[in-house]
Amino acid sequence: NAGVTQTPKFRVLKTGQSMTLLCAQDMNHEYMYWYRQDPGMGLRLIHYSVGEGTTAKGEVPDGYNVSRLKKQNFLLGLESAAPSQTSVYFCASSYVPGQTNYGYTFGSGTRLTVV
Amino acid sequence: QQQVKQSPQSLIVQKGGISIINCAYENTAFDYFPWYQQFPGKGPALLIAIRPDVSEKKEGRFTISFNKSAKQFSLHIMDSQPGDSATYFCAATIAYSGAGSYQLTFGKGTKLSVIP
Repeated sequence: NAGVTQTPKFRVLKTGQSMTLLCAQDMNHEYMYWYRQDPGMGLRLIHYSVGEGTTAKGEVPDGYNVSRLKKQNFLLGLESAAPSQTSVYFCASSYVPGQTNYGYTFGSGTRLTVV
Repeated sequence: QQQVKQSPQSLIVQKGGISIINCAYENTAFDYFPWYQQFPGKGPALLIAIRPDVSEKKEGRFTISFNKSAKQFSLHIMDSQPGDSATYFCAATIAYSGAGSYQLTFGKGTKLSVIP
């Protein structure tokens, strides 16, 4: 049981380059999330999805796009990377709120550096 | 902006001591309060969670104390061990009232160091 798998684990981009971060979960969770973690800032929500084919903006969505074409996958895209997007990115998934086993499961993160 | 304020930012405790991390929230509609533990290079992992219908929940050496009237909750780690050294995040959300907010609001984290 892999849980939440993120690829890649590390990446260095040049300013202006694009990339896609992949998140895959095998727990049949409905909800998926992308967070970024920066020193002293905690975890901030970028985008989330409440089901296949749906996405919504979180707290810090600018400069990112997402897609959820399959229930088990949630992709985070950076169209034109900027140094301000240097961060550690975490994907998480959960059952629908209200279920007794509700709670987030996080992946191990992607460390992205934009130079 | 719904906020969860966490303190202290960092904490140093001797082995065998009690570690206490505090969080305060503003939104009285929050009904689910989890704590996450994160080791360096890893993702956060759910440690323990509480709902506001109880004032305390204990799992092993970890206890959440909840004060609904003060809108505060805290994590106590009894008999702290060097292996407990990690960053701890509190969080809150509306999960059970039917008006789910879909997202956890996290505190900014507390870096705990337990020294031998």
